[in-house]
Formats: sequence, C-alpha cells, structure tokens
Amino acid sequence: DQQVKQNSPSLSVQEGRISILNCDYTNSMFDYFLWYKKYPAEGPTFLISISSIKDKNEDGRFTVFLNKSAKHLSLHIVPSQPGDSAVYFCAATAFGAGTASKLTFGTGTRLQVTL
Amino acid sequence: DGGITQSPKYLFRKEGQNVTLSCEQNLNHDAMYWYRQDPGQGLRLIYYSQIVNDFQKGDIAEGYSVSREKKESFPLTVTSAQKNPTAFYLCASSTGLRQGYTFGSGTRLTVV
Repeated sequence: DQQVKQNSPSLSVQEGRISILNCDYTNSMFDYFLWYKKYPAEGPTFLISISSIKDKNEDGRFTVFLNKSAKHLSLHIVPSQPGDSAVYFCAATAFGAGTASKLTFGTGTRLQVTL
Repeated sequence: DGGITQSPKYLFRKEGQNVTLSCEQNLNHDAMYWYRQDPGQGLRLIYYSQIVNDFQKGDIAEGYSVSREKKESFPLTVTSAQKNPTAFYLCASSTGLRQGYTFGSGTRLTVV
C-alpha cells in the first residue's frame, strides 16, 4: 500500500525553465511533508519541508505547495539549473499520531535539466 | 565535521551468509534509522531507534536485525532469512524531524 505516490518517474526540463515535481498521499494523518534530493550512490539530502498548517513554503529557488483537500503537494524549482539533475523524493509523517520518527517516502522522480 | 558514516560502500556476500552493515554518527542525534532502496520502490523503512537500547520494526523488518548499544552506532545485520537482500541500504539520523533526516552515503549490498 503506497501511501506516498510520485506518479512521474522522470521529468526533463530545459535550463532556466520551471521544474514542477508532484506528490500525492493517501494517509489523512500525515501533517508534515519533506522533499529530498538524491544523487546516484549517495544518501538523500534534505531540501525543503512544509507543515499542514501552511499551504506554501519558499527557500530560494525552491517552493513547496500543499493542497490538503486534494492530498497533493508539489515542488517548484525556478529557474532550473543543470546541477538540479537528480532524483527527488517526497516524504511524509504524522506528528499528531505519535509516529513522528517515521518518514514514509515516495518512489522518486528523476529530474534531468538540459542545456 | 559532523556526519554519518556507512561502511563499506560496496559489499559482496554469498547467499546464506549473514552480513553486518555499519552506521556511525557524530551528530549527537538520538534517533537513527535504516532504509532500503530498490529500483522503482523508493525508500522503505527497515528498523528505527529513538533512544539507546530501544528499537522498533519498520515496514520491512523480516530477515533483518539491529542493535543500539551506543548512541553513535546502529549496525544492521542482514540475515540469511532475508529473501532478497541485494539492495542499496541507507542509514539516517535525526534530532528533530522538522529538520529532516541526515543520511549516510549508503552501502550497496550484492548477494551472489
């Protein structure tokens, strides 16, 4: 049962354009969401997060949007750069349910930024 | 520099042998985790520990065992009972989940 879904396994975007990575979740108990970036043969690195009390969080070129009613979040990267080429994982947890130690990850989206 | 060290980076074992993957952190984090990554399946939680001498099963704990005798160390043993042990294993730690996990660089285990 995949509680966090990233339905696009890959995405190709031109340098300078916007990259939009999508994530859907099914567990209504999830109240905190994170995005991670991963290069091959390395561990993921934390990128940005959002609490369910917000619908938007920005950090430089990265913005995460949360639509709770649709159980959907998205990561926007503007402008996209070649160094952004990596696999991006969406993750979620339920602080209120006392399971805050556990992150549930999506399957990842491979972003390729072309010149 | 603080961080998480996983060793070795690559590991080969014969089928039927137990193998232990090392994970050490000097971040003074209380919580530590083991995840497994397979192609097309994202990261799946094997075991986690929120405090020394305590740990809980994750979603795919069968065939694995862990110990947490020291705050800095959280080794994972892949036993012969694990039916499909070939995978990329990631260790992580955290002090507060709102800051996210810090991950190690991973160990790729190949069982032949």
